[in-house]
Amino acid sequence: GENVEQHPSTLSVQEGDSAVIKCTYSDSASNYFPWYKQELGKGPQLIIDIRSNVGEKKDQRIAVTLNKTAKHFSLHITETQPEDSAVYFCSNQAGTALIFGKGTTLSVSS
Amino acid sequence: DGGITQSPKYLFRKEGQNVTLSCEQNLNHDAMYWYRQDPGQGLRLIYYSQIVNDFQKGDIAEGYSVSREKKESFPLTVTSAQKNPTAFYLCASSISALSYEQYFGPGTRLTVT
Repeated sequence: GENVEQHPSTLSVQEGDSAVIKCTYSDSASNYFPWYKQELGKGPQLIIDIRSNVGEKKDQRIAVTLNKTAKHFSLHITETQPEDSAVYFCSNQAGTALIFGKGTTLSVSS
Repeated sequence: DGGITQSPKYLFRKEGQNVTLSCEQNLNHDAMYWYRQDPGQGLRLIYYSQIVNDFQKGDIAEGYSVSREKKESFPLTVTSAQKNPTAFYLCASSISALSYEQYFGPGTRLTVT
């Protein structure tokens, strides 16, 4: 079946550094790629998404890039802050559903 | 406040009992979804519903059942046939099945002993 691979599984950075999380997907028909942030004990929150007609999208300190040819998409967080510490999930649309990566635990130390 | 509510936040049951998890939304969304989350795993789709009185199985539907009698409500029943029911259950909704943007509730942690 369709799947999405997410790397790394854990990421530790110093406050102010950048963080990059990468995902690879298999469904070439996917056109929608959201990223979710999940804090401990809470539901995932949609933080940014990108559709296949663009290669990059930015929202303040967060950016997402998409390479449809290589079936890669990435999340970039600049100037990280302690409150960015959470689990991040990439996802892509497969048919009428979303498929999720296994998550990246980001730890930002001050 | 508009949003998705799930209750209760924590639920404990004995093995062999059926249990129903509640999910309500006041966003006027047509589509609703149930996911299961296990430690170190992504979200796996259990069931989804695109409109009232209609629902489809996801990847791991065995041992679960749902109903969609009202647009606002999509309860999930974890039956005794589910072999490993202890997990964090998440409900989500989207404007329609084709909008793809899903918004999640706070989740219910079910523990079965």
